[in-house]
Amino acid sequence: QKEVEQDPGPLSVPEGAIVSLNCTYSNSAFQYFMWYRQYSRKGPELLMYTYSSGNKEDGRFTAQVDKSSKYISLFIRDSQPSDSATYLCAMSGSYIPTFGRGTSLIVHP
Amino acid sequence: EAGVTQFPSHSVIEKGQTVTLRCDPISGHDNLYWYRRVMGKEIKFLLHFVKESKQDESGMPNNRFLAERTGGTYSTLKVQPAELEDSGVYFCASSHHRGSSTDTQYFGPGTRLTVL
Repeated sequence: QKEVEQDPGPLSVPEGAIVSLNCTYSNSAFQYFMWYRQYSRKGPELLMYTYSSGNKEDGRFTAQVDKSSKYISLFIRDSQPSDSATYLCAMSGSYIPTFGRGTSLIVHP
Repeated sequence: EAGVTQFPSHSVIEKGQTVTLRCDPISGHDNLYWYRRVMGKEIKFLLHFVKESKQDESGMPNNRFLAERTGGTYSTLKVQPAELEDSGVYFCASSHHRGSSTDTQYFGPGTRLTVL
């Protein structure tokens, strides 16, 4: 079993839709949870970072962590074509992240 | 502020040849990390430098890989001799604070290595 599971997609949604991206994990030692966004031919860019269970909001983005279920989510409200990218979840117990495979998101006008 | 840069952006070599990848971190960042993504799989950690010292090289796959960071500035990752399974995208990242879990790592665009 992989430490971090993430559906690669692709996930195709119309502009304005609410997007839900998810990851599950198996390692109870993970304490830090991150979401990265990666555009084509670019490196991953940190989007959101959370430590505890619960929700964290930043503009149109909300990160949710449920440690009891070992499940994390990223919600994107009012999705835009510019949100089209690969979204990678990552988590760590220290400073070295363990990444998911990434979910390819396509937001079409 | 210039971001993390990597060179070359793409390298195609034959099995058995040597390739050297370069990473220039963000100026002032003491921490430098190398990662690799093999096609269809996750990004995986290779090693971590703090200035010129190797802090953690637990992710290096074997002794065909040699990473250096002389002078604590740019870093090179040499693969010698390259094998087919070394193909993938090699990312470099840098961060300012010393190995903190809350330290943001800034990634470069990656070097796509193809071994034929």
